[in-house]
Amino acid sequence: NAGVTQTPKFRILKIGQSMTLQCTQDMNHNYMYWYRQDPGMGLKLIYYSVGAGITDKGEVPNGYNVSRSTTEDFPLRLELAAPSQTSVYFCASRAEGQGRTYFGPGTRLTVT
Amino acid sequence: AQKVTQAQTEISVVEKEDVTLDCVYETRDTTYYLFWYKQPPSGELVFLIRRNSFDEQNEISGRYSWNFQKSTSSFNFTITASQVVDSAVYFCALSEAGIKAAGNKLTFGGGTRVLVKP
Repeated sequence: NAGVTQTPKFRILKIGQSMTLQCTQDMNHNYMYWYRQDPGMGLKLIYYSVGAGITDKGEVPNGYNVSRSTTEDFPLRLELAAPSQTSVYFCASRAEGQGRTYFGPGTRLTVT
Repeated sequence: AQKVTQAQTEISVVEKEDVTLDCVYETRDTTYYLFWYKQPPSGELVFLIRRNSFDEQNEISGRYSWNFQKSTSSFNFTITASQVVDSAVYFCALSEAGIKAAGNKLTFGGGTRVLVKP
């Protein structure tokens, strides 16, 4: 199992550009999440999904969109990048009823 | 709402010293999980432990030990005989686990940076 994979690993965006962060898991987990980690801070939840076709907002959803068309994939879309979105983005997954959350390696995004 | 507080932002020790990281949490749920993750300088999140709210037994894994006290809502982590490789940021996290806890989302503390000097 590859676990949770994320692409790209690094990206630099200009203000106003758009991009999609990709996330895939091969563990057949129902639950998937997107977190962001600002420098020197803990992780904050952006969006989450409890299954294909179901998504919901987390603590900091503004400026982002998600979709969950399959169990495996949970892409995060940034429509109009702003400097405040400079952060490290972690995708994660978890099986329903199981305690442990598995994290991807992260995507480091800089918006200038 | 859930909240996790790690009051220590940074701890510096000399190798072989013991170091204890504090974690205090708040939740209205009676069923929950507590976690510790390690984030080394390379940036990935490394799972260390998960503790169910019904299990208050302390746990030891090598040089790592955890003290869960429900009465004080604390889940502290001790590294015994610290090594340079223990230098990292450590996060405590909470996940509600009850039937109504949609998505079992994790709430993280702000993290504690541990610097172990040789």
